[in-house]
Amino acid sequence: EAGVVQSPRYKIIEKKQPVAFWCNPISGHNTLYWYLQNLGQGPELLIRYENEEAVDDSQLPKDRFSAERLKGVDSTLKIQPAELGDSAVYLCASSLDAASETQYFGPGTRLLVL
Amino acid sequence: GDSVTQMEGPVTLSEEAFLTINCTYTATGYPSLFWYVQYPGEGLQLLLKATKADDKGSNKGFEATYRKETTSFHLEKGSVQVSDSAVYFCALSANFGNEKLTFGTGTRLTIIP
Repeated sequence: EAGVVQSPRYKIIEKKQPVAFWCNPISGHNTLYWYLQNLGQGPELLIRYENEEAVDDSQLPKDRFSAERLKGVDSTLKIQPAELGDSAVYLCASSLDAASETQYFGPGTRLLVL
Repeated sequence: GDSVTQMEGPVTLSEEAFLTINCTYTATGYPSLFWYVQYPGEGLQLLLKATKADDKGSNKGFEATYRKETTSFHLEKGSVQVSDSAVYFCALSANFGNEKLTFGTGTRLTIIP
């Protein structure tokens, strides 16, 4: 069974540029999460989807970050414009449903903003 | 709010040594507790979990017991191998219909032959 797929794996951009990350969860998983992992820290939740609905986006900086999961499968996380402090690893995870406690993580996208 | 405090690293051990990585938590109610592992160049993987007090999670020779009285979930392994070198994260899920994971800062473990 394929795991959570993320792309790109690495991205280098200049500040003020836009950037987008893509995630394909495990087939059949209804719940999708985006986490931010700063260097030397644990992941922190940005947004959680149940199917196509964002049910927890309280930690998403909405002035520059946006996310979508239009058909309840793939998801895209966007930053516009990027700032130096956005340099981090962006992790996507999925779980079978809201009642399932085990989350499966993708390899992450490492973003460097110059 | 919920929080997880982990033993700071890095931790360096010789092969076959005994491992303990301490983890304590703060949460309301009865959280589920997890250990995730991140091998070099890979994503986070669930190592083990426990969902109620006194439960013991175990996997790949690792164990952790959910201790409500001390709000702890320490990770142990009796004899580590070089292949156990990774970053280990303790995490909790609050079980209030809010399924986000709250992570500790991670502990980098290096095993030398």
